[in-house]
Amino acid sequence: GQSLEQPSEVTAVEGAIVQINCTYQTSGFYGLSWYQQHDGGAPTFLSYNALDGLEETGRFSSFLSRSDSYGYLLLQELQMKDSASYFCAALPSGGSYIPTFGRGTSLIVHP
Amino acid sequence: DVKVTQSSRYLVKRTGEKVFLECVQDMDHENMFWYRQDPGLGLRLIYFSYDVKMKEKGDIPEGYSVSREKKERFSLILESASTNQTSMYLCASSKSPSYEQYFGPGTRLTVT
Repeated sequence: GQSLEQPSEVTAVEGAIVQINCTYQTSGFYGLSWYQQHDGGAPTFLSYNALDGLEETGRFSSFLSRSDSYGYLLLQELQMKDSASYFCAALPSGGSYIPTFGRGTSLIVHP
Repeated sequence: DVKVTQSSRYLVKRTGEKVFLECVQDMDHENMFWYRQDPGLGLRLIYFSYDVKMKEKGDIPEGYSVSREKKERFSLILESASTNQTSMYLCASSKSPSYEQYFGPGTRLTVT
């Protein structure tokens, strides 16, 4: 089985850098995905880490360390529009293609 | 532009009514999912389908059923709606492996 833990809320100021952590307990998985969801909107895919290390996409980066059972999403040069919920999701290995989602982190960006 | 559409954005039903939520995707994805989202609980999987007429129960299937007669369409059925099924319902689709899911806009269902 799998369990993913994220902080429920993170606050930061505009222009800053923020890191949203995702720790997991799993018997095996292919990789870790991240999604963004604005209030009233649908989750949208941000990134996927199949391998250990850092994946960079513009202002957003995602990191995975399988040895530490840990990943994070890094948001740089924060903007007000980055205020949203962020979910990590682990895709299990072993034949099931059903990902498990964390409960989400609400990011609040202040001016 | 990839797209997942859901039949309604808002729906109000009475207790005991049969409710149909429909989801259509235009990406030829084999996998389709139904989730419900409640504050503080994240996304909980109700049912998953990996092919036409194929389905698997998710974490909270009780009180729900699904139908997938065509690849592009996945329906969620509440046989007899109850107030505890008031929630946001999200449909998603993906290729395999499903590390990148595309979500519909959601249906906010209120059961009174």
